[in-house]
Amino acid sequence: DIVMTQSPLSLPVTPGEPASISCTSSQSLLHSSGYHYLHWYLQKPGRSPQLLIYLGSHRASGVPDRFSGSGSGTDFTLKISRVEAEDVGVYYCMQALQTPLTFGGGTKVEMK
Amino acid sequence: EVQLVESGGGLVQPGGSLRLSCAASGFTFSDSSMNWVRQAPGKGLEWVANIKQDGTEKYYVDSVKGRFTISRDNAKNSLFLQMNSLRADDTAVYYCSRDRFTPQNWGQGTLVTVSS
Repeated sequence: DIVMTQSPLSLPVTPGEPASISCTSSQSLLHSSGYHYLHWYLQKPGRSPQLLIYLGSHRASGVPDRFSGSGSGTDFTLKISRVEAEDVGVYYCMQALQTPLTFGGGTKVEMK
Repeated sequence: EVQLVESGGGLVQPGGSLRLSCAASGFTFSDSSMNWVRQAPGKGLEWVANIKQDGTEKYYVDSVKGRFTISRDNAKNSLFLQMNSLRADDTAVYYCSRDRFTPQNWGQGTLVTVSS
């Protein structure tokens, strides 16, 4: 199974400041199509997960452009250019290259 | 608008069974593979199972193999999860989600509690 590791576990943020979350996989997530099967989700308090970034760097529909994803191989990063109050919640990375699909442990983002 | 609505959760004793359903709308259900993903109270997300568009291929996380069965009815736009031999560590909110390679839409979840 592919193991997904996120850091940090908790991320206190200041509104208007940037934030960054790291995700590392135990093996490359590069598919033969040339895409990395790495996705980012945000789970707001009391809500279902919502897709933010798919295939490593593509913003999902309706996601603000302050969110961006980057990385390749086994190392990926989610960046928020200027954090807003509505961005609080738990962020998960997930690999969909092979079954079982696996998630990182989550990064809790909260306002300072 | 894509909608996924789970139902069938509840309280069940250890060793018991439960059948979850997911009603899909707003997209061509028969064109999409489907997943079940669960989240234990206060914990992270765990993928449980996937079923191909035509139901011919099914995949499971090791911890549920032999106990859970994923199925679908494309004529009724519905996804199911039959859960047998339930254990305390199966207690979780169960979500259905669309698409094996990019799970992009999720339901609101249904809570399964396994306890005596």
